Amino acid sequence: EPEVTQTPSHQVTQMGQEVILRCVPISNHLYFYWYRQILGQKVEFLVSFYNNEISEKSEIFDDQFSVERPDGSNFTLKIRSTKLEDSAMYFCASSEGGGHRNEQFFGPGTRLTVL
Amino acid sequence: ILNVEQSPQSLHVQEGDSTNFTCSFPSSNFYALHWYRWETAKSPEALFVMTLNGDEKKKGRISATLNTKEGYSYLYIKGSQPEDSATYLCAFNSNYQLIWGAGTKLIIKP
Repeated sequence: EPEVTQTPSHQVTQMGQEVILRCVPISNHLYFYWYRQILGQKVEFLVSFYNNEISEKSEIFDDQFSVERPDGSNFTLKIRSTKLEDSAMYFCASSEGGGHRNEQFFGPGTRLTVL
Repeated sequence: ILNVEQSPQSLHVQEGDSTNFTCSFPSSNFYALHWYRWETAKSPEALFVMTLNGDEKKKGRISATLNTKEGYSYLYIKGSQPEDSATYLCAFNSNYQLIWGAGTKLIIKP
């Protein structure tokens, strides 16, 4: 069964460093998303992406964040200068359609630890 | 600010018993309500996407109902089994983004 994959599973970085989190969505899906969950808190939406453009982003997704689909398979989240409060699980998701009825399929997450 | 609340926060249920828990969400600007099952160290798994008031969906022993007028959804599990142990999350669909509840952690006692 097709699944969303994410690499790495755990990333440790120093404050101020840039990190790139990678996702491979399900191959026939057209809509892509990033979410995060800070330990002990709710899952939070970061950004949605369709047709090589951001379709919606939350207040969390400031200028430090960017997303890219560099080729036909990968979908990346870049954090330019990490802060301690960026430590969280980051989940990528994809869906076939962008309508509200569409299930979003999630990857297993990348745990980002900023020291 | 859109807020989604789930209760209870955690639940211990004897194997074989049935159980249910609640998700409350804004009743205005409703698009869809999603239920996910999330086992530790695995990806969240979609259970249901519900869009219409009065919707009732079923997958095996798990079912869900939706009341968009009053802003709540119930998830029911009939005859709980150990493999049902997980965190059950609901998420309110606002445009492209999902706004999540904190989850109900279900532990099934053998």
